Amino acid sequence: DTEVTQTPKHLVMGMTNKKSLKCEQHMGHRAMYWYKQKAKKPPELMFVYSYEKLSINESVPSRFSPECPNSSLLNLHLHALQPEDSALYLCASSQRPQGGATDTQYFGPGTRLTVL
Amino acid sequence: EDQVTQSPEALRLQEGESSSLNCSYTVSGLRGLFWYRQDPGKGPEFLFTLYSAGEEKEKERLKATLTKKESFLHITAPKPEDSATYLCAVVYNTNAGKSTFGDGTTLTVKP
Repeated sequence: DTEVTQTPKHLVMGMTNKKSLKCEQHMGHRAMYWYKQKAKKPPELMFVYSYEKLSINESVPSRFSPECPNSSLLNLHLHALQPEDSALYLCASSQRPQGGATDTQYFGPGTRLTVL
Repeated sequence: EDQVTQSPEALRLQEGESSSLNCSYTVSGLRGLFWYRQDPGKGPEFLFTLYSAGEEKEKERLKATLTKKESFLHITAPKPEDSATYLCAVVYNTNAGKSTFGDGTTLTVKP
């Protein structure tokens, strides 16, 4: 089973709202990722968690706040977003942080976020 | 400069018309090259991982190959359901821990 689940599928929020995106995997993977994808563009890395610790932050604005409560769960907390933050937010996981032979990333279906 | 480039940007084929997609890379110390298929509004679906020049992998109508400079995704006798965007991603020594994606090739197969 190579399933990564994400909730919600769609989210509409105002610029003053606080919301959270959730991601879950039960493959025993120890690396988890958040990506942002705009239309007709490739995924753009935001954060990497390695063994539940934040290992990479790609200079993402502080209105995005990641959290990894345990090895199976990854959250992305959203606050005071801008309309340009509207995008497909993808979660992925890999057995270990990438660089090794088995470290294929498996993606979830994404959350379509619209900021009004 | 490290780069991953996919070509063509878009490809339109008739059903049954075989072709190839290209992913060329100029990086130092390739650790792995990954192919994904992405349907509109969905997450990328893993297809293949290639690690060393000369490696080949197949799955149904798809075959991926790797050289020291590029990878090809060959599509044999495509069907309309093969229509999607195909992404390649590269992990290399100076970006270990993360993937660098190409911009993708959007394939349309007409019946």
